[in-house]
Parts: sequence; C-alpha cells; structure tokens
Amino acid sequence: AQKITQTQPGMFVQEKEAVTLDCTYDTSDPSYGLFWYKQPSSGEMIFLIYQGSYDQQNATEGRYSLNFQKARKSANLVISASQLGDSAMYFCAMRETDSWGKLQFGAGTQVVVTP
Amino acid sequence: NAGVTQTPKFRVLKTGQSMTLLCAQDMNHEYMYWYRQDPGMGLRLIHYSVGEGTTAKGEVPDGYNVSRLKKQNFLLGLESAAPSQTSVYFCASTMVGAADTQYFGPGTRLTVL
Repeated sequence: AQKITQTQPGMFVQEKEAVTLDCTYDTSDPSYGLFWYKQPSSGEMIFLIYQGSYDQQNATEGRYSLNFQKARKSANLVISASQLGDSAMYFCAMRETDSWGKLQFGAGTQVVVTP
Repeated sequence: NAGVTQTPKFRVLKTGQSMTLLCAQDMNHEYMYWYRQDPGMGLRLIHYSVGEGTTAKGEVPDGYNVSRLKKQNFLLGLESAAPSQTSVYFCASTMVGAADTQYFGPGTRLTVL
C-alpha cells in the first residue's frame, strides 16, 4: 500500500510567490520522520527539510517550511518567495522506527517557476 | 570530502549482459542503500546494508544482488540485465540516528536494450 501520497503531479508558480506542496502519509508507528528532497533537472537529490513526529514546532529551513498536521497525517512543504532556481521535482519521504533508516518516497510534484 | 560517489554515471547494456555499479562514501556512515527511480515514480528501495558484511532486500530486489565488503563501499550487481531494469539508480548513505538524513550520490543512468 502506498504510504506517501503526493496528489499534485505538477504546479506552476510565479516568481516571488509562495507555493505549497501537499504530502500525506500513512503509518501506525508513533515515531517517524518526514523528509523533503528536491531534484532539479540535473538529477541529484538535495535534502531540504526534516520533521520528526514528536517535534512540537514545524520545521523551517530558510525559505522552506513544513506545515506538519499530525492528526491529519499531512506534511506539506511551503516554499516562500519562489525563485527560478526552485523549478524542480520535489519528493516527500517517510522513515519509520526500526526501519533501518529506509525511506519511502512519494511520486513527487514537478514545480515550474515562471517569471 | 566527496560525500557519496557513484560509478559509472551512464551505461548502456544489451539484454543478458551483466554489470556492477559502485557506490562509495567517505562519511563513515553505517547504513547504505540502493534505490531505483523510474519516470513518474518516486525512488524505490532495491537493497540496503546496515553495516559491513550485511545486506537485506528492499521493495524491489529481484534481478539484483549486492555486497558490502568494506564499510565505505556498496556494490549493486545485475547478473543478466533486462529492459525492465532501465532506470536511474541512486545510492545513499546515512548515520544511525533517527533524524539523520540520507545523503545521495549523483545517480547512474542505465539503459538496457
């Protein structure tokens, strides 16, 4: 069963605007971690942000923030003040306890930032 | 500090040929992973290793074998390549802590004709 769902296959956003990328997850593990990665057209996987299931506050890293709603099992990524260089595929991933660090990925959301 | 490196970056094989992909990390990470990425899909775990000399199957292990003879290296082998194995392969490594992120190599683009 799909454990990570990203329902937006693609999005267009204008430069300088904010964009929210949706991610919902499914787990019965009380302790887990959620990650967002960026994959530009060059292909590498770039870590953006991490949220632990017991973290009281939403994670933030520069222009990236994670809107963590535990009861709804959602971990949406918010990119503020979009830049042209933000055009990329974005993946949400989850790591459960006792999973030997394995990540389960969603299908990704393609973001295109327009001038 | 090179991080995670993968060799080769590109490869074209004919059906039935064999090859080995090499992953090396210089961060002294215990855990290493091999993923494949197909169009329209996220990364899927092939095999992983939690320490030197240990390996385990992931979500899509069929047709692949792995070895971790040294802590810093993780090899992925295709004994008899099939067109269904055309994909981009990523290696990753991480420390043991729950919050530790996985660091990915640049990927290997493999085409099987």
